[in-house]
Amino acid sequence: DAGVIQSPRHEVTEMGQEVTLRCKPISGHNSLFWYRQTMMRGLELLIYFNNNVPIDDSGMPEDRFSAKMPNASFSTLKIQPSEPRDSAVYFCASSSGTANQPQHFGDGTRLSIL
Amino acid sequence: GESVGLHLPTLSVQEGDNSIINCAYSNSASDYFIWYKQESGKGPQFIIDIRSNMDKRQGQRVTVLLNKTVKHLSLQIAATQPGDSAVYFCAENRGGATNKLIFGTGTLLAVQP
Repeated sequence: DAGVIQSPRHEVTEMGQEVTLRCKPISGHNSLFWYRQTMMRGLELLIYFNNNVPIDDSGMPEDRFSAKMPNASFSTLKIQPSEPRDSAVYFCASSSGTANQPQHFGDGTRLSIL
Repeated sequence: GESVGLHLPTLSVQEGDNSIINCAYSNSASDYFIWYKQESGKGPQFIIDIRSNMDKRQGQRVTVLLNKTVKHLSLQIAATQPGDSAVYFCAENRGGATNKLIFGTGTLLAVQP
């Protein structure tokens, strides 16, 4: 069974550039989550969607970050303009959407902003 | 200068021994708990979950115990193997209809051959 698929696996870019991270959730899952993981702050929830609608974006650090879910099988997280402090591993996870169900994670995008 | 990061608690065990990883939570309204395993370069992998109406649940080589009185969760791994070496996270759902999880800081399990 295909799990959560994220692309790219690695991204290195210069500060000021736009970065777009992509996620394909598990088929049939209707909740999708974007996380950021750093040594300083651990695993932080940025935003989550239910049935393609953003439910809670309180974790999005600032206006430079935006996320979309145009359909049930695709989501993007965009950073514009990027800054060195955005360097982290970004994970996408999905779940079946009803309460008390496990989230299943992709293998992340390792982002380095120079 | 030296960067300051999260201090990960570390549990070092001998191969074949049993491991117990502990987690404290603070919200008495939390009604669902999950343990994840994260290996280097990979995303967190679901291991086992438990709902607040239970105090014990067993899987293959793993057992989760929930003590709601003291808000404590533990993961027991039987006959620990080198492949169990990873960072283990507990996560809680703080109730309601949401699937939002709050993650702990993690524990590094190091299995010595």
